[in-house]
Amino acid sequence: GESVGLHLPTLSVQEGDNSIINCAYSNSASDYFIWYKQESGKGPQFIIDIRSNMDKRQGQRVTVLLNKTVKHLSLQIAATQPGDSAVYFCAESSSNTGKLIFGQGTTLQVKP
Amino acid sequence: GAGVSQSPRYKVAKRGQDVALRCDPISGHVSLFWYQQALGQGPEFLTYFQNEAQLDKSGLPSDRFFAERPEGSVSTLKIQRTQQEDSAVYLCASSLGGGLTEAFFGQGTRLTVV
Repeated sequence: GESVGLHLPTLSVQEGDNSIINCAYSNSASDYFIWYKQESGKGPQFIIDIRSNMDKRQGQRVTVLLNKTVKHLSLQIAATQPGDSAVYFCAESSSNTGKLIFGQGTTLQVKP
Repeated sequence: GAGVSQSPRYKVAKRGQDVALRCDPISGHVSLFWYQQALGQGPEFLTYFQNEAQLDKSGLPSDRFFAERPEGSVSTLKIQRTQQEDSAVYLCASSLGGGLTEAFFGQGTRLTVV
């Protein structure tokens, strides 16, 4: 049968609340950061990105914060909805190639 | 098509069998990437093409893995003499090019080696 993979950290929130998902990245040379959402059986879906010359970027209901000093990235989702339930991955990249290095992932569960 | 297309969606291979996984990127996208995603983990980089040139294959786990993109569009990932540890989802992504452009992922091919 299938091997058991790592248990991803899980964040459980009530519908309508705000969610904050955190990520630590590894490479100081990375200058491009992306958050992806992955639903079961699907490929990662782009949510929002940020370049290293910024510390905050906002999209529709989502905000990404970048702290280069401590190599930390966070994703804030406002008014979380059941459709937001998925696994969220942060990814880092350098402007040279676009090769992505993914973080561990966090499972977001939204309770109705 | 509108997005990145991968085929087959599912593949069951007997140990020792060779497999070929196909990726059709978004038309006009210069960059193409292959990733391997084990159960419960994030995708891990395998290889990268810019047009037909394979610029980085540092993530290929062994010489049993081979990728090509002969005409700078469709790409094939081939795994020879499959082993149980090759079981994973293989994801393809494409982007317009350069390191600061959004990468679009396909739905992946789930390979199970029995």
